[in-house]
This record gives sequence, structure tokens and C-alpha cells, in this order.
Amino acid sequence: EVQLVQSGAEVKKPGESLKISCKGSGYSFTSYWIGWVRQMPGKGLEWMGIIYPGDSDTRYSPSFQGQVTISADKSISTAYLQWSSLKASDTAMYYCARIVDTAMGTHFDYWGQGTLVTVSS
Amino acid sequence: EIVLTQSPGTLSLSPGERATLSCRASQSVSSSYLAWYQQKPGQAPRLLIYGASSRATGIPDRFSGSGSGTDFTLTISRLEPEDFAVYYCQQYGSSPPAFTFGPGTKVDIK
Repeated sequence: EVQLVQSGAEVKKPGESLKISCKGSGYSFTSYWIGWVRQMPGKGLEWMGIIYPGDSDTRYSPSFQGQVTISADKSISTAYLQWSSLKASDTAMYYCARIVDTAMGTHFDYWGQGTLVTVSS
Repeated sequence: EIVLTQSPGTLSLSPGERATLSCRASQSVSSSYLAWYQQKPGQAPRLLIYGASSRATGIPDRFSGSGSGTDFTLTISRLEPEDFAVYYCQQYGSSPPAFTFGPGTKVDIK
């Protein structure tokens, strides 16, 4: 069974750093891209970036380039999303999702449960 | 950059009724790269439809997708109580790689 299990909720202060995780199981972690998606309170879904754990090839949405860093450790089947200096506007739910990329299409087929990040002084 | 517009913003219907949700792209999208997701409160999104018309594993056949070019539709033939949720369309562009979500349509109980 394919599963993506994300790290728990975080409460941070502005200016602090943070790294959240997404552990994949039940499939070949190095063979699928993983994406990160932000959902601000009461709002829609925003794509942040993607990583291919096989070689750590990473692509960012222009809206998030320079704001976050996506990485992966294939030895433990885990992808990461990190911030060096959080802002109150980073308060949101963050989802990781596996990307299937075939002739039938490119989309997110399995999602993590989400990690709620709250940034408040 | 392709922009997706979904309509209506909210659809108020009763169980048993038919729901028709629209997703319009600002420029032509390959049908292979158009997907639909369902999100219920407090839950992660769930893939419903990919390739514009293919149901994902385990999705009931009351859900169907259609369309091409710039106009796509998600139809729920007979609403069940568990179908009241927010629905998002999503497209993928390959050069450069980018995913875009529509703003969502909320289907609520009338």
C-alpha cells in the first residue's frame, strides 16, 4: 500500500527555521517525483515545487523560488520542505503528494495527511 | 502561465441530484494533463479523475470527466451525502514543469 506520512504540526515564531518531512512507503521512492502543495487557511491549493528523489532534481514554482528549499534523502525514503526564516504568512497546511507521470497523464495520485504550520509571535 | 477558472464557485444541490462542474483554461491544455480532486474538510485532497476522463482507482462510476482544449467538466451523476466537498481541477505544463490548480468549486447541501 502506497503511503506518504508527514511530520506533525508545528508552531513557530517569525524568523525561526523549520524543516518538515514526508516519508514514502509501499513503492519505489526513487522512481516517482514528489510535490509539495500549500493550502492557506480557508483557501485553495498552490503548487510549491517538486523533487525527484532518485537524483534530487528539483523544480520550484516561481511563486516559491527562493522562499523554501525542497530536498530528499533517498536512503530513508523521505522528502523535506524547509524554511530558513518563517513569516506569519507561511501559516498554512502543507501537503506532499506523489506524482505519476505517464502517457496517461501527470498528476498527484497519493497525498500525505498534511502538516499544519503555524507562525505566530 | 495557464490560469484555470472554475465555475460555479458554489453549487447548492440535494442528494440524488446531478452536479456539473466546469473548469476553463486560459489556453489549450492537453487532456492528458487535466485532473480533478475532491477535498473534504480536514482531509487531504483525493484524486478523482486524470487524463480528463479516466477515473482513479476506487472512484465510483457516478463521477465522470469530459472535455478538451480549454473546457473541461466534472459530472457527478447522482449526489451521495459523502460527495459534498470542494472540487479542484489541475493542469500540468511541461515547459517548464508547472502544476496549476483551479480555485475550486464547493458542492454543498441545499
